[in-house]
Amino acid sequence: NAGVMQNPRHLVRRRGQEARLRCSPMKGHSHVYWYRQLPEEGLKFMVYLQKENIIDESGMPKERFSAEFPKEGPSILRIQQVVRGDSAAYFCASSLWTGEGGELFFGEGSRLTVL
Amino acid sequence: GQQVMQIPQYQHVQEGEDFTTYCNSSTTLSNIQWYKQRPGGHPVFLIQLVKSGEVKKQKRLTFQFGEAKKNSSLHITATQTTDVGTYFCAPAVGGGSEKLVFGKGTKLTVNP
Repeated sequence: NAGVMQNPRHLVRRRGQEARLRCSPMKGHSHVYWYRQLPEEGLKFMVYLQKENIIDESGMPKERFSAEFPKEGPSILRIQQVVRGDSAAYFCASSLWTGEGGELFFGEGSRLTVL
Repeated sequence: GQQVMQIPQYQHVQEGEDFTTYCNSSTTLSNIQWYKQRPGGHPVFLIQLVKSGEVKKQKRLTFQFGEAKKNSSLHITATQTTDVGTYFCAPAVGGGSEKLVFGKGTKLTVNP
């Protein structure tokens, strides 16, 4: 059973370009979370999605950032018109939520560098 | 929003010494999870605590959940160099919220 797959692992963009980060959850998992991590800092919650639905996007910046988890295919975190402050590691996690908590399985992350 | 404080932020120990990190919340938690992230790696699940006063052990690691379900701790006995990494607590607030809000973590370094 493959783990959470994220790609690309490393992405370099110039200011003003778009970044698209993909996440395929573990087989059978319908819950996907995106977290952002700056160097030497903690994990900041961005968004929580289930298939075709955004459940909680309270951690997402209001502008330039969007996320989706379509019925078919991976979850995508999209950052438009990137700025240098967007440089970070973006981790995706998936889980089987049971109502009493569910272990998060993290991907290896996508490291975005904005020049 | 959910506020959780994790202390200390950094801890440096000699190999063989014990280590403890604490996670404190301003509100009652439905459950709490702990994760470990090795340098350059991704977070890996360690444990979930659900019951008031719960204590769980994994070899040299001991996890506790406070009686009031507002705090938790992770204790490592006789640290080894393989324990190096950042330890995060991740409480779930409950009440229908299914997201995990991570603490800032405690970065542990072990001097051999």
